[in-house]
Amino acid sequence: EAQVTQNPRYLITVTGKKLTVTCSQNMNHEYMSWYRQDPGLGLRQIYYSMNVEVTDKGDVPEGYKVSRKEKRNFPLILESPSPNQTSLYFCASSLKSGNTGELFFGEGSRLTVL
Amino acid sequence: GNSVTQMEGPVTLSEEAFLTINCTYTATGYPSLFWYVQYPGEGLQLLLKATKADDKGSNKGFEATYRKETTSFHLEKGSVQVSDSAVYFCALGNSGSARQLTFGSGTQLTVLP
Repeated sequence: EAQVTQNPRYLITVTGKKLTVTCSQNMNHEYMSWYRQDPGLGLRQIYYSMNVEVTDKGDVPEGYKVSRKEKRNFPLILESPSPNQTSLYFCASSLKSGNTGELFFGEGSRLTVL
Repeated sequence: GNSVTQMEGPVTLSEEAFLTINCTYTATGYPSLFWYVQYPGEGLQLLLKATKADDKGSNKGFEATYRKETTSFHLEKGSVQVSDSAVYFCALGNSGSARQLTFGSGTQLTVLP
């Protein structure tokens, strides 16, 4: 089954404790992206990757890191989480980066930073 | 830059009512337009899309027409069902940008039996 898998789905952590949210897709997609969803703000892009070893900042990259060492994986790293990073996070992928391509989303990871 | 404005929610309708969710956009060039739907506890999934002016996207009884003259892409359904309860996102993709989609803030729809 074609899917984007995120882990963990739910996480409560404390300020400053490094964490990683993993994302994996099994569709051989070139393009992957991370979004955060906050009430009233919709989805905002954090980072994206056009292909292996190619990443770039989205609209709200501060406080986050990513890597793309393999085509299927695109982990999101919070080196020192803060309460303003409490949010619902979505990983997404598409075959290419073109605007007519459909984005496939994971089920989301709800993060709470105390 | 690109932006998408959706009507404020939440929207509550009775089953079989007519639905309109307004969406307008600002963009350079000739963007593609999308509606995504997010059911409770799930990720977003593509509902319909239109890639050029006057195109009509349709799926599951929902429709939206790409209106370049009014820069709009309103979502409509003639008769909603309880199962349509979800959050609906309008989105824009610009061929000049590698950053994929710009999303609106989402509209929560609740359909009551």
